[in-house]
Amino acid sequence: KQEVTQIPAALSVPEGENLVLNCSFTDSAIYNLQWFRQDPGKGLTSLLLIQSSQREQTSGRLNASLDKSSGRSTLYIAASQPGDSATYLCAVRPNFNKFYFGSGTKLNVKP
Amino acid sequence: NAGVTQTPKFRVLKTGQSMTLLCAQDMNHEYMYWYRQDPGMGLRLIHYSVGEGTTAKGEVPDGYNVSRLKKQNFLLGLESAAPSQTSVYFCASSYSTPTGGRETQYFGPGTRLLVL
Repeated sequence: KQEVTQIPAALSVPEGENLVLNCSFTDSAIYNLQWFRQDPGKGLTSLLLIQSSQREQTSGRLNASLDKSSGRSTLYIAASQPGDSATYLCAVRPNFNKFYFGSGTKLNVKP
Repeated sequence: NAGVTQTPKFRVLKTGQSMTLLCAQDMNHEYMYWYRQDPGMGLRLIHYSVGEGTTAKGEVPDGYNVSRLKKQNFLLGLESAAPSQTSVYFCASSYSTPTGGRETQYFGPGTRLLVL
């Protein structure tokens, strides 16, 4: 069974700082990996999706990388803003029907 | 488009009661999913469906049943609620194609369920 781990569980940074969130998974046989954002009391919003054949994806201030051989993905957030405060979850898709989620990193960006 | 909607938003049940959670999507997605989210455990897949009339078990299916009679709706049923089923339930949907980025999951806002 695929195990997905996100470290740290919580992170607090001052506004403007660049930061990296980590996601690791135990089985490198995946279709894709996806990063989500979850605001308190809300559902999940997709940020970036990386196919298994890709090494990174970028959207605005966000950059996600994927290293399947080591079972790792990182989400890089440049010039963080208070509006980035949320919980960030990664999910891997080992087969076509299922997704496995990490427990998330709760980010607080202080003004 | 409304996207993915869930009904109800919040519900309190007594142990042994039954209820049905409704998920609806208007994006013509083939795949639909039910997850539960518990503190410190991320999202865990309960059941999923790859098309109208089909359902399959996920990681934690015990105590739940599902039905997909129409493509746009996916129902999650609790026949006899237990306190261990207190959780936040999320529905999601996606296209079936494996490439091109169309397989992104779209999530509903969640249903908070408290079983006393």
